This record gives sequence, structure tokens and C-alpha cells, in this order.
Amino acid sequence: EVQLVESGGGLVQPGRSLRLSCAASRFTFDDYAMHWVRQAPGKGLEWVSGISWNSGSRGYADSVKGRFTISRDNAKNSLYLQMNSLRGEDTALYYCAKDMKAWFGEGDYFDYWGQGTLVTVSS
Amino acid sequence: QSALTQPASVSGSPGQSITISCTGTSSDVGGYNYVSWYQQHPGKAPKLMIYDVSNRPSGVSNRFSGSKSGNTASLTISGLQAEDEADYYCSSYTSSSTSYVFGTGTKVTVL
Repeated sequence: EVQLVESGGGLVQPGRSLRLSCAASRFTFDDYAMHWVRQAPGKGLEWVSGISWNSGSRGYADSVKGRFTISRDNAKNSLYLQMNSLRGEDTALYYCAKDMKAWFGEGDYFDYWGQGTLVTVSS
Repeated sequence: QSALTQPASVSGSPGQSITISCTGTSSDVGGYNYVSWYQQHPGKAPKLMIYDVSNRPSGVSNRFSGSKSGNTASLTISGLQAEDEADYYCSSYTSSSTSYVFGTGTKVTVL
């Protein structure tokens, strides 16, 4: 069964940076697009960012555009999210999610999810 | 980009059918057949239940079905079971600069 394990979360002060990682296994990582989806405590889901299998296409939610950068290393079966200029409203559980297809953009669905890594932005 | 609108809660008795609505605009739900539904039990990661408006991934019970009319998508759960008690979220591709939007979420209670 597909396995996705997020790491890198923690407590960080407003304005600082954090880098999340997602280790993927038990599937051919470079055959699929990948995404980050977050969920603030007690709130709903929010799509954050997505990236194509070959990093050729990437997308971001308006709420993080210009501050977050998604990337992947297919040789390491890993997905990353570099988060800069963090704000209190970025506090959430961040999920790594596998797409059902290779290319990002229209018709992206998240068929496997990790258990999430918690990011808390507070002074 | 605002979240898609879902009822906060829906309830039903075991064996009954319930329907959850998901209302958007012509820029998302109404403009594309890229609607999906996710089930989330407390403390767990979401699970894909429906994609492309009405398709079920392998392993998802055929008690779950999806449809769309205009700017509103719907998820129907038939033969309601105790294990269906969870939060449900719709999602759609959007032509706005934010590529994907989720619904506000619906808590399903089995009476």
C-alpha cells in the first residue's frame, strides 16, 4: 500500500521559515503529480500547492503564493514545501497527497494521503 | 477564491439515504466536471470517495454516488451505516488563480 510520511513541522515564530518533507514509498513516485493540503485546527481542508511528475508544472493557492515553494526530488522519492514569511494563519496540519495522474492542472484528485505534520506559527 | 458551500450537518438513521450538497459558481463546480468528494474520520487523513463528479475509486462502496446539476454537486450515501459517520468535503478545480477549492465540510451523523 502507498505510504506517505511527512516531517519537518514544529513551532516557528511569525516571519520565519520552515521546510516540510514527504517521503514516499510503495509506488512509482515519478509517475505521479503530488500536492500539499492543509487543515487548520478544527477547520476544513485547504489545497496549498501541487507539482507535476517532472516538476514542469506547479501551482499555488493565492494564500501562499510568493511565500511557499513546492519541489520534488524523484531520485529520493521525496516531496518538499519551503515555507517563508510564515504567518499565524499558516498554522495547520500539512498533508502530503498523491495525485491520480502525472500532470498537475485540471482533474487532480488526491487518492492517498499521509498522516500530516503540524506547523504552529506563534511568538 | 471562496470555499464551496456545504451544509454544516446532515443526519439520518441506519439504512436511510442522505444527500450532501456542494454549491459553487460557474468558475468551479459549474464550469468543469472535476468535482471530488472526501471522507474524513476524526483524527484521520481524508479518503477519496468520488472523482470526476460520479466515479468511485476502487474499493469504495457503491453506496456512495455523486452527481452534478449546474453549479451544485451532490454526494448521496444510500443504506446509511454507522461507519459512514464522518466529515465530508467536496472539491473542485477552479479557473481562478487558486487551482483547487474545497467545500466548507459537512458532518454526517448516523442517528
